[in-house]
Amino acid sequence: GAVVSQHPSRVICKSGTSVKIECRSLDFQATTMFWYRQFPKQSLMLMATSNEGSKATYEQGVEKDKFLINHASLTLSTLTVTSAHPEDSSFYICSANPSDYYNEQFFGPGTRLTVL
Amino acid sequence: DQQVKQNSPSLSVQEGRISILNCDYTNSMFDYFLWYKKYPAEGPTFLISISSIKDKNEDGRFTVFLNKSAKHLSLHIVPSQPGDSAVYFCAASVPQGGSEKLVFGKGMKLTVNP
Repeated sequence: GAVVSQHPSRVICKSGTSVKIECRSLDFQATTMFWYRQFPKQSLMLMATSNEGSKATYEQGVEKDKFLINHASLTLSTLTVTSAHPEDSSFYICSANPSDYYNEQFFGPGTRLTVL
Repeated sequence: DQQVKQNSPSLSVQEGRISILNCDYTNSMFDYFLWYKKYPAEGPTFLISISSIKDKNEDGRFTVFLNKSAKHLSLHIVPSQPGDSAVYFCAASVPQGGSEKLVFGKGMKLTVNP
């Protein structure tokens, strides 16, 4: 199957700093990537849809100015958590699907963010 | 509004027995359903899927059943193995632009005891 990577896998930062998380499709091009957040004991929550070459589409309740998404190429999307606070601590996961796997999303390994 | 519901948070079965994981949905626009398996601190991995035009799909030990009239699907694992212990997410997809948007249930923790 297709491979999606994320970097870093784990990050610890101080409150008020910004953190960038990268999502890469390693062996396919993805015009669309998705960013999810998982809270403890809760489901994966879709945060936004990252569109290559255009603005991201954010889900209701997700602050676009806080969670900046840049989909600069067909293999890379970045999520920047700006002015991070302890409540932003979570597990962030991205996904993408190749055109020939229309119905299946391939997920990255996730990034554990801890804000002190 | 929880469009995909996994009402049981956990299930414990004995090795060799059948595991049945249930999922209900509310949105009739969903056209594809998927099950994902997730270990702690890892991204979900795809298990099995089913199109809305089918009622059953089987892949080895895993079978997914879809009852559209009841808006219900289930995942059967038989025989269950200790390595199947994980959190299982039911997901439904709906077209969004040129891709598919996934809506997840809250997940169910399966424990298979040796």
